[in-house]
Amino acid sequence: NAGVTQTPKFQVLKTGQSMTLQCAQDMNHEYMSWYRQDPGMGLRLIHYSVGAGITDQGEVPNGYNVSRSTTEDFPLRLLSAAPSQTSVYFCASSYDRVGGDWETQYFGPGTRLLVL
Amino acid sequence: KNQVEQSPQSLIILEGKNCTLQCNYTVSPFSNLRWYKQDTGRGPVSLTIMTFSENTKSNGRYTATLDADTKQSSLHITASQLSDSASYICVVSARYGGSQGNLIFGKGTKLSVKP
Repeated sequence: NAGVTQTPKFQVLKTGQSMTLQCAQDMNHEYMSWYRQDPGMGLRLIHYSVGAGITDQGEVPNGYNVSRSTTEDFPLRLLSAAPSQTSVYFCASSYDRVGGDWETQYFGPGTRLLVL
Repeated sequence: KNQVEQSPQSLIILEGKNCTLQCNYTVSPFSNLRWYKQDTGRGPVSLTIMTFSENTKSNGRYTATLDADTKQSSLHITASQLSDSASYICVVSARYGGSQGNLIFGKGTKLSVKP
């Protein structure tokens, strides 16, 4: 199993550009999430999905869109990039609802995004 | 407000020494507490998960403790190795019944192990 994969590893954007961060998992997990990690802050939830066709907002959803057409893929779209979106983005997946007592969340390697 | 505070922010120790990282939380109702290890440039990896009824959980040289009464947890690393250099993140789950269990992440402790 490859686990959770993310592409690209690094991206530079200009303000106003759009792009899609890709996330895929091969563990047949229903639950997938996108987080951003900024210096001096804990991971913050952007959007999550509890299964194909079902998505919901997290703590910091503004400026981001998601869709979940398959169990394996969960892309994150930046509609119009802003410097405030400079961050490291992590995708994660789990078999069951995260927060359940025995559920482990698996993280991808991250995408480092710089918006100029 | 639900919060997870970790201390120290950073720590430098010599290879072979032990160390203890702290996590205090104000999360209610509490579901479980997790410790993650995050190597530089990588995603977090789960080390331990503890529920309300568990006091101690070990994973090799890593031992986590939980005091649900004082809302404190610690991660003890024994006989440190250079590969232990990483950030260690404490994450507390609140039992809100939402789909993602409402995870509250600490900011992490950055550990550097020197030869």
